[in-house]
Amino acid sequence: DGGITQSPKYLFRKEGQNVTLSCEQNLNHDAMYWYRQDPGQGLRLIYYSQIVNDFQKGDIAEGYSVSREKKESFPLTVTSAQKNPTAFYLCASSSRTRNTDTQYFGPGTRLTVL
Amino acid sequence: SQELEQSPQSLIVQEGKNLTINCTSSKTLYGLYWYKQKYGEGLIFLMMLQKGGEEKSHEKITAKLDEKKQQSSLHITASQPSHAGIYLCGADPGAQKLVFGQGTRLTINP
Repeated sequence: DGGITQSPKYLFRKEGQNVTLSCEQNLNHDAMYWYRQDPGQGLRLIYYSQIVNDFQKGDIAEGYSVSREKKESFPLTVTSAQKNPTAFYLCASSSRTRNTDTQYFGPGTRLTVL
Repeated sequence: SQELEQSPQSLIVQEGKNLTINCTSSKTLYGLYWYKQKYGEGLIFLMMLQKGGEEKSHEKITAKLDEKKQQSSLHITASQPSHAGIYLCGADPGAQKLVFGQGTRLTINP
């Protein structure tokens, strides 16, 4: 089945450690996105990529890094520089067609810093 | 920058009742997306509206975009327990990315 997968579903990290969240899609979408969701809040954009080997900072990129070496994959690294990393992280992708840019989301990864 | 305000933030209705969720934008909407989210899960795409006055329906959910393209509403008819969750509106500000409202938490009581 086509879709977006994120792993792991739950992730625990000690302070000072970097962690990498996986996002894979087999929808043949060009664009991929990472969002962060905090309790009672909407989604905030961390990074996005419209094409392989290119990505742009979103609204809250500080303390995060990404790579886009393959069309199917867009991993997110939460570095120790991120002050408050405990949150729910969502990955999305879109086909970037002319008339619509609907984003489809993965199931999310809940990161907890101990 | 474009901002979306959803109202109400939380809604509790009795099963079988109708309800409406609103999404108001600080700027003209060029693409308005509605998503549903179960707690701890990803977002499920519901509908997308682009034209002023446009209305779309899926099962018992109807979404409308006003003529001025600054407000959208999501209406659920004869609510069911399966409708419970968080509803989010998202808008395309023309920068090839989406901005989202804070979400409306819907609870359906039997």
